[in-house]
Amino acid sequence: EAGVVQSPRYKIIEKKQPVAFWCNPISGHNTLYWYRQNLGQGPELLIRYENEEAVDDSQLPKDRFSAERLKGVDSTLKIQPAELGDSAVYLCASSLYSGGGANTEAFFGQGTRLTVV
Amino acid sequence: GEDVEQSLFLSVREGDSSVINCTYTDSSSTYLYWYKQEPGAGLQLLTYIFSNMDMKQDQRLTVLLNKKDKHLSLRIADTQTGDSAIYFCAEWGASGNTPLVFGKGTRLSVIA
Repeated sequence: EAGVVQSPRYKIIEKKQPVAFWCNPISGHNTLYWYRQNLGQGPELLIRYENEEAVDDSQLPKDRFSAERLKGVDSTLKIQPAELGDSAVYLCASSLYSGGGANTEAFFGQGTRLTVV
Repeated sequence: GEDVEQSLFLSVREGDSSVINCTYTDSSSTYLYWYKQEPGAGLQLLTYIFSNMDMKQDQRLTVLLNKKDKHLSLRIADTQTGDSAIYFCAEWGASGNTPLVFGKGTRLSVIA
């Protein structure tokens, strides 16, 4: 079974440019997460989807970040315009369900390493 | 809010046991997880424990949970060089409403 697939793996852009990341979760997984991992830190949640609905986006900087999960399958995370401080690894994860109960284990993709110069 | 604390570094000799510790704040956490991250890779789920358990063993991995002290540990028996990685402890916070709060990770270095 394929895992969570993210693209691109690496992206280098100049500040003020837009950038987009794509994620295809594990087939059948209802919940999709975007996390940001700064160097030397643990991942921090940006947004969580239950099917196509964003149920937790309190940590998403909405002035420049946007996300969508049309049809409740794959998802896109966009930054426009990018700032130097956005350099990080952007991780996508999916789980069958959410809530901390059974079958809520999250499986992660390999991430997209963004460098803003 | 939820907070997960880990020591940042651990160094062990090949063949010894490693113990990685974690403390968390949300007493309502139902599941606690250990993830492994190798350089340049995403997070790999290693194991998890349900909060009504004290211990879970999975091959070389043993998870101990002290719910009273909100302390979680991961023991790796017969540590190998391939175990060198960053290990993250994570919890679901606020009765399942706050997904996967991670610690900063413990970097395990295995010396041959």
